[in-house]
Amino acid sequence: EAQVTQNPRYLITVTGKKLTVTCSQNMNHEYMSWYRQDPGLGLRQIYYSMNVEVTDKGDVPEGYKVSRKEKRNFPLILESPSPNQTSLYFCASSLGGPWAQYFGPGTRLLVL
Amino acid sequence: DQQVKQNSPSLSVQEGRISILNCDYTNSMFDYFLWYKKYPAEGPTFLISISSIKDKNEDGRFTVFLNKSAKHLSLHIVPSQPGDSAVYFCAAYTGNQFYFGTGTSLTVIP
Repeated sequence: EAQVTQNPRYLITVTGKKLTVTCSQNMNHEYMSWYRQDPGLGLRQIYYSMNVEVTDKGDVPEGYKVSRKEKRNFPLILESPSPNQTSLYFCASSLGGPWAQYFGPGTRLLVL
Repeated sequence: DQQVKQNSPSLSVQEGRISILNCDYTNSMFDYFLWYKKYPAEGPTFLISISSIKDKNEDGRFTVFLNKSAKHLSLHIVPSQPGDSAVYFCAAYTGNQFYFGTGTSLTVIP
């Protein structure tokens, strides 16, 4: 089954404690991306990757890091989380270009 | 600044009637537009898209209209069904990036 998986689905952490949210896709997609969803702000793109070892900033990259060492995986790293990073995070993948993205189920993060 | 706006946070429609969801954008460089549907506790799923060189695209009950001069697009759902109740996001694409609106929550009343 074609899918994008994210782990964990729920996470509560404290300010400053490094965390990683994993994302994996099984569709051999070249394009992968991370979004955060906040009330009244919709979905905002954090980082995206056009292919292995190629990543670029989206609209709201501050406080986040990503890496793309393998085509299927695109982890999101928060090295020193802060309460304003409390949000719902989605990973997505696609063939690239303007083609439709497949989204993961989301990771709800609470930073205390 | 929000480049893609959905000014109606919510919409209620009777089953069988038409649902019209609207989206406005500011960036004339957008060259592709997409609509996604989102159920609670799930990720968004792709619904329909349109290239900026077209003004209409149809897929079954769903039709997207694009008015480039007004920088406006709309999604028409005919006829609306209770299973269409969800949050709908419009998105725009340019330069390898996607920009999403804030979403409209559609409720279809049986």
